Order: sequence, then C-alpha cells, then structure tokens
Amino acid sequence: GDSVTQMEGPVTLSEEAFLTINCTYTATGYPSLFWYVQYPGEGLQLLLKATKADDKGSNKGFEATYRKETTSFHLEKGSVQVSDSAVYFCALSEGARGGADGLTFGKGTHLIIQP
Amino acid sequence: EAGVAQSPRYKIIEKRQSVAFWCNPISGHATLYWYQQILGQGPKLLIQFQNNGVVDDSQLPKDRFSAERLKGVDSTLKIQPAKLEDSAVYLCASSGQGHGYTFGSGTRLTVV
Repeated sequence: GDSVTQMEGPVTLSEEAFLTINCTYTATGYPSLFWYVQYPGEGLQLLLKATKADDKGSNKGFEATYRKETTSFHLEKGSVQVSDSAVYFCALSEGARGGADGLTFGKGTHLIIQP
Repeated sequence: EAGVAQSPRYKIIEKRQSVAFWCNPISGHATLYWYQQILGQGPKLLIQFQNNGVVDDSQLPKDRFSAERLKGVDSTLKIQPAKLEDSAVYLCASSGQGHGYTFGSGTRLTVV
C-alpha cells in the first residue's frame, strides 16, 4: 500500500537558518503530494501541494518539488523564523475516484526555531 | 465560508464505555473523511464518504467503530466499546469539486 516516510524530529535550527525536511513516498499510481503544517494548539493547514512530476509547490517562503525519479518531495525554506515552529506532515493522495481520495500521512517532523 | 465544525472538543471516558463524535462539513462539500491521529503520529484515514455512501472504510476497526453520514451532510463517528488505545485526536475533513481538503479542529479523546 501507499506510504510516506519523513525525517524524524525534533529538528532544531537557529533563526534565519536554511531548512530541509526530507520526504519520500511509495505509491502504486501517480499521486498528488502535499505538505501540511500544524501550529501549536491549531488544526492541520495545507502549506503547499504538487499534482504531477516536476511541479513545484510554494507558499510562505516554503518550497517543495515533486521528484518522480527519486519519489521525493522535500520541503525547503531559505531563512526560517521563530513563527515557523510547528509540526510538518508530508502526505500523498492517489487521486480521484469520483472525488478526492483520502490522504496518507507521514509521522510528522517537529520543527523548533530558536531566536 | 464557515469551516468544518466538530464537537465535542474534548472527551474523557472510561474503557468499555461508548462515545460519539459529530462533524458538520463545509456546505456543498460532497466528500467527508474521518481520521485518527494518535499522539506523535500522522493522521490515519478511518473512513471516507462520498455524499452518503461509503467509498473507503478499509482501515476502520469495524468491530468497535461505526460511522454514518446522514443525508449526505453531517456525520457521526461512534466507538463502542472504547479501548485505551483509542485515545487520540479524531479529525474530520471535507472536500468538494475543485476544492482542497479542509480539516476541522478535531476531538481529543482520552480513554482511562
């Protein structure tokens, strides 16, 4: 079945550091890929997505590129801020069956940014 | 646009008791999902509805969990009887044509 593997946390960085959170996936078809973020005390929010190979999703300074050849969707940001401290989830969806399929999530990576 | 509404926000029950969660999706969203998020893990899909029909319930523990979607709008998820390992946050999400997923804030269940 489908699965998502992301780097274990917590990841602790200083403000303005470069961020990479690795994500690789296993899927039977051609999935859509997502990054979700969960800030302390809040619900899951979509951060960015990509629906086909070589697509780049971006939002709030975060980027991720859909790499079919390496089955990866690594999250990057050039300069992190304290407000980026949260748990980040990589996820995939196999696509339509009369509507969007459910999401398969990774275990999450807790990011801590120190001032 | 109102978000996905869930209630209650928190629930504490003893093992072997029953519990029910309620979800009201975004108006017009045909697809509704229930996820279970155990502490330290990513959410796991329990069941997916398309209107009032079940699309995928392959990961729903059917001996104790049940769910229904009344008239293709609201949904309830029930656990009977609850076990200690059911302690988790139960998330509802909905999606519509051309729209992405929207998650509710979840119900945090503690089984003692």
